[in-house]
Amino acid sequence: TQLLEQSPQFLSIQEGENLTVYCNSSSVFSSLQWYRQEPGEGPVLLVTVVTGGEVKKLKRLTFQFGDARKDSSLHITAAQPGDTGLYLCAGDESQGNLIFGKGTKLSVKP
Amino acid sequence: ETGVTQSPTHLIKTRGQQVTLRCSSQSGHNTVSWYQQALGQGPQFIFQYYREEENGRGNFPPRFSGLQFPNYSSELNVNALELDDSALYLCASSLWRDTNSYEQYFGPGTRLTVT
Repeated sequence: TQLLEQSPQFLSIQEGENLTVYCNSSSVFSSLQWYRQEPGEGPVLLVTVVTGGEVKKLKRLTFQFGDARKDSSLHITAAQPGDTGLYLCAGDESQGNLIFGKGTKLSVKP
Repeated sequence: ETGVTQSPTHLIKTRGQQVTLRCSSQSGHNTVSWYQQALGQGPQFIFQYYREEENGRGNFPPRFSGLQFPNYSSELNVNALELDDSALYLCASSLWRDTNSYEQYFGPGTRLTVT
């Protein structure tokens, strides 16, 4: 079974700061997805990256897939309190079975 | 377009009992996956259904079983409940495509507590 490690596990920052969350594996994934989850709710899909080296932007969020398709990063510029939540990366192992990391719990204080 | 819905929202059961959780997939989606999310953990894949058949299974015992119906809705059944089965159960629907990736859309989950 492939494993995805996310770091950091917890992150508490002030509004306006930048941050980067990392997702690493020793295995290759056909695609990787990033989700955001709020307490008591299901994960909400933010982005899917497929091609090695791919960079996708979603407003202040920038997602990058590693060249070897084993790792990914999420960078948030000028974080806002509304960005608070659990950020999960998930790799597509095979036939669409997603392997999730444990998540990064982000808290952005006003 | 209707999103993924799950019922019930919360459920309390006693150890040894059986439970059925339900999921209605997003309109146009033909694949349903179930995940278990323990507190403080990421979701863990239980199994996936495509065209009413199991299409992949994670590391869960046979007492976890499922069904998919012709309208693509799905059920997750858990027999002989154990305390460790307490978790948020998530259903995700997707459209199976012949590509290297497809996107899964999650419902709000069912919070199961086993006492």
